[in-house]
Amino acid sequence: GNSVTQMEGPVTLSEEAFLTINCTYTATGYPSLFWYVQYPGEGLQLLLKATKADDKGSNKGFEATYRKETTSFHLEKGSVQVSDSAVYFCALSDVGTGRRALTFGSGTRLQVQP
Amino acid sequence: GAVVSQHPSRVICKSGTSVKIECRSLDFQATTMFWYRQFPKQSLMLMATSNEGSKATYEQGVEKDKFLINHASLTLSTLTVTSAHPEDSSFYICSARDKGRGPGTDTQYFGPGTRLTVL
Repeated sequence: GNSVTQMEGPVTLSEEAFLTINCTYTATGYPSLFWYVQYPGEGLQLLLKATKADDKGSNKGFEATYRKETTSFHLEKGSVQVSDSAVYFCALSDVGTGRRALTFGSGTRLQVQP
Repeated sequence: GAVVSQHPSRVICKSGTSVKIECRSLDFQATTMFWYRQFPKQSLMLMATSNEGSKATYEQGVEKDKFLINHASLTLSTLTVTSAHPEDSSFYICSARDKGRGPGTDTQYFGPGTRLTVL
C-alpha cells in the first residue's frame, strides 16, 4: 500500500537558518504530493503541492520538488522565521483506489528560536 | 476561498452520550469529504470517506455503527460518535475535496478540527 515517511522531530533551528525536512514515499501509481502545516491549536493548512514528477511546489518561501527517481518530496526553506514554528506533514493522494484520501506522514515538529 | 468549517470546535461529554460534529464547505461544493482522527503528537488517520448521497466508506478497524457519517448535501457532512467512551477522546478533523476547475481541483481543504473529550 501507500506510505509516507518523514524525518523525526523535533527540529530546532535558529532564526534565518536553512530548513530541510525529508519526506519519502511509496505508492502504487502516480500520486500527487503535498505538504501541510499545522500551527498550534489550529487545523491543517495546505502549504504546497506537486502533481507530477519534476514539479516544484512553492509557497511562503517554502519549496519542494517531486523527485520520482528517489521517491522524495523534501521540504526546504532558505531562512526560517519564528512564525514558521509548527508541525509539518508530508502527504500523498490515494490514486490507487480513486478515493483521493490522503496518506500522511507522522509529522515533523519545527521549533524556530529567535 | 476554499474554507471548511467544523462545529463544534470543542466538546466535552459524559460517557454513553452521543456527539454530532458538523463539517461544512463554505464556498465550494464537495461531493467527497473525509474524516480523520488525530491522536496527540501523532499523524492523521483516515476514518472514512463520505460521499454525497451514498453510504460512507470506512477504513479497516473503524466501527461504522459507532461512527455514523451522513453526507446529506454537497456542503455538509456530519460525524456522530454514538455511545461515546473515554477512549473516543481525540481530535477529529474533516476535509473536503474541491471538485471544481482550476488550481483547487483535487485539493483537499481541512477544517480546524473538533476536540472531543469524553469523561
